[in-house]
Amino acid sequence: DGGITQSPKYLFRKEGQNVTLSCEQNLNHDAMYWYRQDPGQGLRLIYYSQIVNDFQKGDIAEGYSVSREKKESFPLTVTSAQKNPTAFYLCASSAGLAGVRYEQYFGPGTRLTVT
Amino acid sequence: DAKTTQPPSMDCAEGRAANLPCNHSTISGNEYVYWYRQIHSQGPQYIIHGLKNNETNEMASLIITEDRKSSTLILPHATLRDTAVYYCIVRASGSARQLTFGSGTQLTVLP
Repeated sequence: DGGITQSPKYLFRKEGQNVTLSCEQNLNHDAMYWYRQDPGQGLRLIYYSQIVNDFQKGDIAEGYSVSREKKESFPLTVTSAQKNPTAFYLCASSAGLAGVRYEQYFGPGTRLTVT
Repeated sequence: DAKTTQPPSMDCAEGRAANLPCNHSTISGNEYVYWYRQIHSQGPQYIIHGLKNNETNEMASLIITEDRKSSTLILPHATLRDTAVYYCIVRASGSARQLTFGSGTQLTVLP
């Protein structure tokens, strides 16, 4: 089955620790995205990548880092510099090229709790 | 990308049509209307999109007004599993930029 996987579904960390969230897709999509969702709110973009070895900051990139060494993988690191890291994190991908029908496919999400 | 306005919540009886409105009065000529939904604690799911013609697929229909300043997503026979937050998004096609999600409409399908 084609799709996006995120692991783990629930993650708990102590304050001051870095943590990396996994995102893998087998849809052969070029573009990948990380969003954050807080309770009762819409999604906010953290980082996105249009192609391997390239990525851009979204609206709330501070305290986060990403890498895109492979087309199918786009891990997100939540660093200790992120002041409010507890949230629901969603990874997405899309074909993303000009002229191509463009919808984003989302993974199931990772709920991160930092105490 | 144009801003959208949606009611925060709506109810619908099971088996009836659910009509979810969206205002996008500042939409420009090259911007599409997209609809996604998010069931609690899951990732959003793409539903449908359109430019100016009405669209229909296996999940829903999208009706866009002639002036394109508003649209309606129609779920023809709502089921309990359609209970979710529905997001209306407008953006230009042809690039890999992000989708901007607002707060959406919480649709509750009642038995």
